[in-house]
Amino acid sequence: ETGVTQSPTHLIKTRGQQVTLRCSSQSGHNTVSWYQQALGQGPQFIFQYYREEENGRGNFPPRFSGLQFPNYSSELNVNALELDDSALYLCASSRAANANEKLFFGSGTQLSVL
Amino acid sequence: AQSVAQPEDQVNVAEGNPLTVKCTYSVSGNPYLFWYVQYPNRGLQFLLKYITGDNLVKGSYGFEAEFNKSQTSFHLKKPSALVSDSALYFCAVRLKEDSGGGADGLTFGKGTHLIIQP
Repeated sequence: ETGVTQSPTHLIKTRGQQVTLRCSSQSGHNTVSWYQQALGQGPQFIFQYYREEENGRGNFPPRFSGLQFPNYSSELNVNALELDDSALYLCASSRAANANEKLFFGSGTQLSVL
Repeated sequence: AQSVAQPEDQVNVAEGNPLTVKCTYSVSGNPYLFWYVQYPNRGLQFLLKYITGDNLVKGSYGFEAEFNKSQTSFHLKKPSALVSDSALYFCAVRLKEDSGGGADGLTFGKGTHLIIQP
């Protein structure tokens, strides 16, 4: 088990609503990244936060936004939910923002959009 | 843009036999390569990574992987499979900082289900 915790574990929303997912990073880690894993697919990079600033973003629209707090925990916010947003959302933390760092993943939040 | 291909959706191996899970990648620059494993209802767990140097990388639980630059491959191997190795395995690539990477996240393959039969 890693020290990365995510909440909630499951969530059901309807199309058009907004959702906030939360992540506590492992102790000593200052970098958090978020991934979306659709059913039967590999995780896709959403964005990365390093010391409270977004310093990298994948191919996701602006309605996907985030925050990182001084204790390095993080939130993922998704506005105007669409059916295709249904997926497992994974948070990962690492000791630093270097590209060769191994990531420690949480167990994820399963989001269903109806 | 980078991409990862895992050509087999599923690999079946008898317990005690060697296993190989294939991975090829495409990048415009120098890569870091990773293997992660996902157990049911769990997040991904790091297995091993290639950064530089020796092409044969050893990782957790007896797994190893060989970086082959000419074939752009990074196949995962284990000499003797255990039933407990059954899981979903992901290969991933990330560009090195000297190739413009650093904040672009991991690019994952679609995953390979490894099934070890007793």
